[in-house]
Amino acid sequence: SQTIHQWPATLVQPVGSPLSLECTVEGTSNPNLYWYRQAAGRGLQLLFYSVGIGQISSEVPQNLSASRPQDRQFILSSKKLLLSDSGFYLCAWSAHRDGELFFGEGSRLTVL
Amino acid sequence: TQLLEQSPQFLSIQEGENLTVYCNSSSVFSSLQWYRQEPGEGPVLLVTVVTGGEVKKLKRLTFQFGDARKDSSLHITAAQPGDTGLYLCAGRPSGSARQLTFGSGTQLTVLP
Repeated sequence: SQTIHQWPATLVQPVGSPLSLECTVEGTSNPNLYWYRQAAGRGLQLLFYSVGIGQISSEVPQNLSASRPQDRQFILSSKKLLLSDSGFYLCAWSAHRDGELFFGEGSRLTVL
Repeated sequence: TQLLEQSPQFLSIQEGENLTVYCNSSSVFSSLQWYRQEPGEGPVLLVTVVTGGEVKKLKRLTFQFGDARKDSSLHITAAQPGDTGLYLCAGRPSGSARQLTFGSGTQLTVLP
């Protein structure tokens, strides 16, 4: 069966520090991968998606970047965090573009 | 502006009551998905509706896709405390290259 894991689950970082959130998928190959951000109790905003290794599409301009160094690994990064980067970040995968999204457990980032 | 508008934003009801959550758009969708999310976790897919006028039932939950495929509703009969969570609709406009878009969410609380 397929599984998705992301870490860390919780992160408290000072403004200006770097960020790295990791996500891995197991049990499937060539998944579509996604990074979402969610404000408290609200909908999900798509940040990045990837249809293959090294292929990254950005939905909104921001202080963040994403990379896909391996087929089932998706990384969200920042060189210098801003206060506005605080939020709940969710990684997800799907087998194809119109398919069901399977989400990771989420990473709560607080920037102080 | 949100592509998918959900209403109400918050709903607090007593156990045993019925409720309906709405997901509306001015765009036509090829399909709509409904997810439920519990605090600190990722959303989980409940159902996908693909045909205009389609009705799907999942135990006490009834999902309907509008005839024009611009809107959807989720009706819960005899709500239980276990139904508490954030309900999210998601879809992709027909003929669009855009990725899946999520609604703003409805936070449901069912009081015992």
